[in-house]
Amino acid sequence: GAVVSQHPSRVICKSGTSVKIECRSLDFQATTMFWYRQFPKQSLMLMATSNEGSKATYEQGVEKDKFLINHASLTLSTLTVTSAHPEDSSFYICSARRGLGSYNEQFFGPGTRLTVL
Amino acid sequence: AQTVTQSQPEMSVQEAETVTLSCTYDTSESDYYLFWYKQPPSRQMILVIRQEAYKQQNATENRFSVNFQKAAKSFSLKISDSQLGDAAMYFCAYRSSLGGTASKLTFGTGTRLQVTL
Repeated sequence: GAVVSQHPSRVICKSGTSVKIECRSLDFQATTMFWYRQFPKQSLMLMATSNEGSKATYEQGVEKDKFLINHASLTLSTLTVTSAHPEDSSFYICSARRGLGSYNEQFFGPGTRLTVL
Repeated sequence: AQTVTQSQPEMSVQEAETVTLSCTYDTSESDYYLFWYKQPPSRQMILVIRQEAYKQQNATENRFSVNFQKAAKSFSLKISDSQLGDAAMYFCAYRSSLGGTASKLTFGTGTRLQVTL
């Protein structure tokens, strides 16, 4: 099966610093990558959708200047949380979709737990 | 906009018994996909089963089956012969069959399933 990795799995940072999270599709080329945020005991909330080589599309209410997404290649997308604050502490999950067919399966990474002190 | 509703925050089932998780959705589209995802304590999202709206036959994957009622916009998940490893958070999700930004997943709020001995 297709594998999506995320790095780091867990990060703790001080308030005001920036944190970068990497998402890689290990054995397939991802036409589209998605970034989700999940608070404890809640559902996944889509933050943004990115296609390789183009700007990410952000969901309403998500600050694009705070959550920078770069989809540099068909196997790598990065999420940078700039000037992180304690309220940014959350579980961040990336997902990658392969193929251009009418149905293309979406695979999820294992998530990154961000704690901002 | 599409919405997905899971009205059961928590469910409990005894090992080897059968349990049904409910999901309803709202859409004006005629062609779409529906999914059930499992999120165990590891937080890794796992696809359990999917259903194409144009198919009348209910999808089945081993012990997991769905009851898809298109007119009622209902999509329930039945887990037969429940196992301890089935304990997890289960999310129902909707996805349009259209491409582009419409093809993002919309998740329900989730149902936490406990499996008891």
